[in-house]
Amino acid sequence: QQQVKQSPQSLIVQKGGISIINCAYENTAFDYFPWYQQFPGKGPALLIAIRPDVSEKKEGRFTISFNKSAKQFSLHIMDSQPGDSATYFCAASMVLKAAGNKLTFGGGTRVLVKP
Amino acid sequence: NAGVTQTPKFRILKIGQSMTLQCTQDMNHNYMYWYRQDPGMGLKLIYYSVGAGITDKGEVPNGYNVSRSTTEDFPLRLELAAPSQTSVYFCASIRHPGTEAFFGQGTRLTVV
Repeated sequence: QQQVKQSPQSLIVQKGGISIINCAYENTAFDYFPWYQQFPGKGPALLIAIRPDVSEKKEGRFTISFNKSAKQFSLHIMDSQPGDSATYFCAASMVLKAAGNKLTFGGGTRVLVKP
Repeated sequence: NAGVTQTPKFRILKIGQSMTLQCTQDMNHNYMYWYRQDPGMGLKLIYYSVGAGITDKGEVPNGYNVSRSTTEDFPLRLELAAPSQTSVYFCASIRHPGTEAFFGQGTRLTVV
C-alpha cells in the first residue's frame, strides 16, 4: 500500500501561533519525506525534507518531526505569519533509481493564518 | 532560468476531443513526472519517466499517454477527453532521487 494520510484537512491559526500538520505512511520502504507548500494558482514548492535517519529537522520557523516506529511525521510552523497561508502537502518516496523516485502525496492541509 | 514550463495554462475541451499538454525543463533533469490535482485533493501520479526513451505508468494512467524522446520534453496526451479528466495537471522534474522536485505552474483543464 503506497498511501500517505494527512490531517487535518484545514487549519486556522492566529498570527504568532503554531501550526501543526500530521502525516502517516504505510510503506516501510519509504525513505525520503518532503513537505511542499502551494499557493493558489501555483505549483507546489519544496519547503523542507527529512530522511529517516534523523528524528527532527529545523529550517527557520519550519520543523519536521519524524517517528519511524510509528510511521508518522509532522510539520510544525512556529510563529505563523499571514504569508504562510497556503496549502501544505506531505509526501514520501523511495530513493531508488529503479523505483523511479515517485512521490506519493498526502491529501493536503489548507492553512489560514489570521492577522 | 525557466525551470519547468507547462503550456497551455488553461484549456476547455469538449467530450471526445484530444489534446497534448506540453512540459519542458531546462535543468537537464532525468526524472520527469505528470500529476493531476483534483479540487481539495492531493496530487496523483499519472505517468513518469526516468530518462529519455523510458516511461512508466503511475497511479492513474487510464486515458493518458506520454512520450519522452528528449531529456527536456515530456508531453502528456489525452485521447477522447472525458469529464472525469477535468483537473489541474502538474509536470515536475527531479535531478537525483531524494532531491527537490521542481513543479511547473500547472494546466487547468475543463472537459465539458
